[in-house]
Amino acid sequence: RKEVEQDPGPFNVPEGATVAFNCTYSNSASQSFFWYRQDCRKEPKLLMSVYSSGNEDGRFTAQLNRASQYISLLIRDSKLSDSATYLCVVISSASKIIFGSGTRLSIRP
Amino acid sequence: DAGVIQSPRHEVTEMGQEVTLRCKPISGHNSLFWYRQTMMRGLELLIYFNNNVPIDDSGMPEDRFSAKMPNASFSTLKIQPSEPRDSAVYFCASTPGTYAVTDTQYFGPGTRLTVL
Repeated sequence: RKEVEQDPGPFNVPEGATVAFNCTYSNSASQSFFWYRQDCRKEPKLLMSVYSSGNEDGRFTAQLNRASQYISLLIRDSKLSDSATYLCVVISSASKIIFGSGTRLSIRP
Repeated sequence: DAGVIQSPRHEVTEMGQEVTLRCKPISGHNSLFWYRQTMMRGLELLIYFNNNVPIDDSGMPEDRFSAKMPNASFSTLKIQPSEPRDSAVYFCASTPGTYAVTDTQYFGPGTRLTVL
């Protein structure tokens, strides 16, 4: 089993829709979590950190479920510009950085 | 402000040749990371430095790979000899803090390496 797993997608949704995807991790002692966004043939960029209490940044909401060992990303009122690959990042208790393989999102007009 | 700078942006070489990838982190950043990204394996951390000292090189695939950071503004990743399975995009990233792994990672544009 991979340490960090994501549904590769693609998720193909219409503009304006709400979309959510999860990222599961296997190490229950993992300490920090992030979502990065990567556009096609570009470098990853931080989208948001994921806090224990959940956090929101505009149309984006990130949540952590420690009991079930997953993090989630919710995008409301999706825009064409949201089309990208979303990578989750898990930092283990041993300070090991693990990137998920990414979920591809495609927003159609 | 200049971000992380990587060179070359594209490299095509033949199997057995030495390849050197270069990275200039953001000025003032204390930590530098080298990653490799492929379709099959995703983004993998190869090695990271904190204040120019290698902290974790457990991701370096084998002895053919080596990385150095002679000063705070420059790092190299060398592959010798290169093999076709080394073909990937190699990213360099830097972070401002001293406890680097939980900081925001600022990635360079990557070097797309093709080994024929």
